Amino acid sequence: DAGITQSPRHKVTETGTPVTLRCHQTENHRYMYWYRQDPGHGLRLIHYSYGVKDTDKGEVSDGYSVSRSKTEDFLLTLESATSSQTSVYFCAIEGDGTDTQYFGPGTRLTVL
Amino acid sequence: AQSVTQPDIHITVSEGASLELRCNYSYGATPYLFWYVQSPGQGLQLLLKYFSGDTLVQGIKGFEAEFKRSQSSFNLRKPSVHWSDAAEYFCAVGQNYGGSQGNLIFGKGTKLSVKP
Repeated sequence: DAGITQSPRHKVTETGTPVTLRCHQTENHRYMYWYRQDPGHGLRLIHYSYGVKDTDKGEVSDGYSVSRSKTEDFLLTLESATSSQTSVYFCAIEGDGTDTQYFGPGTRLTVL
Repeated sequence: AQSVTQPDIHITVSEGASLELRCNYSYGATPYLFWYVQSPGQGLQLLLKYFSGDTLVQGIKGFEAEFKRSQSSFNLRKPSVHWSDAAEYFCAVGQNYGGSQGNLIFGKGTKLSVKP
């Protein structure tokens, strides 16, 4: 398995609170991605990173921000959580030139 | 715009029977195609991928998929299903952005149930 961990694995929070999810890799891969998974929608890209301090928006980026200050860590922040952000969040990594993404175990977030 | 369609939301097969999961894509250029499997409460595991060359690709766990450009399809097959294959299966399409896959576009998934 690719060396990817996500923390926390489960979180329950209240509407309006900030939340940060962490993705950590031990593969030294250049590319990292955040997706959300919702029933009937498959996975949708939130943000991605193509290097330290280099990030870009995905399909569903509203309400989310990201940061990557080190190769191994990619943080996803919900500035003010809403119930519509209740979802399962997956991080993925991709090595330069491999053209293949590998996924972490996911974080289940519930916003009450 | 790229899109992926998995026409079957839920399929039930008997253990030992053959399996085919359908995937159709919409993409202007030669796509990069993937199948992932997700067991309940787990992350996504890569089953197989197609970039170019032989249109029949072999993957892990006895799965194979065939790329048919004329039909814009990349169907997943297994000759004999095991109870442990019960999971959700996702087809995805991507493109090489000069070093990365960029945005993978996923289908909505097909849930596979296996009857004893």
